Amino acid sequence: NAGVTQTPKFQVLKTGQSMTLQCAQDMNHNSMYWYRQDPGMGLRLIYYSASEGTTDKGEVPNGYNVSRLNKREFSLRLESAAPSQTSVYFCASSEDPRSYEQYFGPGTRLTVT
Amino acid sequence: QQQVKQSPQSLIVQKGGISIINCAYENTAFDYFPWYQQFPGKGPALLIAIRPDVSEKKEGRFTISFNKSAKQFSLHIMDSQPGDSATYFCAARNDYKLSFGAGTTVTVRA
Repeated sequence: NAGVTQTPKFQVLKTGQSMTLQCAQDMNHNSMYWYRQDPGMGLRLIYYSASEGTTDKGEVPNGYNVSRLNKREFSLRLESAAPSQTSVYFCASSEDPRSYEQYFGPGTRLTVT
Repeated sequence: QQQVKQSPQSLIVQKGGISIINCAYENTAFDYFPWYQQFPGKGPALLIAIRPDVSEKKEGRFTISFNKSAKQFSLHIMDSQPGDSATYFCAARNDYKLSFGAGTTVTVRA
């Protein structure tokens, strides 16, 4: 099992460009999450999907959109990238919404210039 | 503002020593307190977790101590090894979401 996979691993964008970060899990988990990790800030929840067909805002949703494409896949879209969105992005999944054990992908390092 | 405050930001310990990381929270709706471990270039992974009705939980060299009245909890790494060098995040669960502390980078010197 690959667990949680994310693409791309690295990306450089210019201000105003758009892109989509892809995430897939092969553990048949119901819930999926997108976090960003910044130095001194820990992990902050951007959006989550408690189950297929639902999405909800987390702590820092502004500037992002998500799509739960099916049970396996959860994508994060930046419509108009800003330098403040330079960060490492992690996708995670869990068996159900109340599980405290989340399985994280390897991350995408995004730089916006 | 972060709902879970974590300290210190970093610490250095000698091999065989004890590493202690502290976390504090205000929201009494939190109902589970996991710790995650992250190695450079990797995603975080669950290390150990505790419920608020338990004062201590031990798994191998890792122990969580929980003080419900003070709204504080801590991670102790006993007999620290170079392989324990990583960033540690405390977290707290409320409803469907985890709130993470800022992280502590632990360096174990051989």
